Amino acid sequence: AQSVTQLGSHVSVSEGALVLLRCNYSSSVPPYLFWYVQYPNQGLQLLLKYTTGATLVKGINGFEAEFKKSETSFHLTKPSAHMSDAAEYFCAVIEYGNNRLAFGKGNQVVVIP
Amino acid sequence: GAVVSQHPSRVICKSGTSVKIECRSLDFQATTMFWYRQFPKKSLMLMATSNEGSKATYEQGVEKDKFLINHASLTLSTLTVTSAHPEDSSFYICSATRDPAYEQYFGPGTRLTVT
Repeated sequence: AQSVTQLGSHVSVSEGALVLLRCNYSSSVPPYLFWYVQYPNQGLQLLLKYTTGATLVKGINGFEAEFKKSETSFHLTKPSAHMSDAAEYFCAVIEYGNNRLAFGKGNQVVVIP
Repeated sequence: GAVVSQHPSRVICKSGTSVKIECRSLDFQATTMFWYRQFPKKSLMLMATSNEGSKATYEQGVEKDKFLINHASLTLSTLTVTSAHPEDSSFYICSATRDPAYEQYFGPGTRLTVT
């Protein structure tokens, strides 16, 4: 069974600074990888996904993530944080051929003016 | 495209009553729908997977008699919390997918409060 590790439940970042959220996964087969964002009392919105092909994936709101198979990682970055980026971020993985999304514990991002 | 709705968005019910939550895929046919529960400040916990026309598959530890799931059509799944208790208060989120091994589209969630 796959698992997803997101370190640091709370992440504080200054407005304009780099946002970096780390995600590591364990999977015995090639995974599909996702980053979701959740605003208070709302569902999840897909930021970006990796299935096959180019390992650097660009998503919405200026976010991108890079799949590194050798490091089993899929870290999320954004060069310059905006106040509107304050939210909860979840990394998730589906193993190829498996129906279930496994979620990390999430990162609560706080943007400091 | 790929919009999923949930109704109601918020519901308050008394202990011992039952409440039904609907999940609809508005612009696509969902072969599979998933129901999640999210506790405050926590990640999503998968409760069950439902395929249209067949019985739901529940995750370990989820009471199937308490959380009744019906997936009557390719665009509608319902979750009924029976004989609700305060500990059932939570945020319930559904997702739907065309391909169960691929991307899931999430609904906006339903906040259930049992008094």
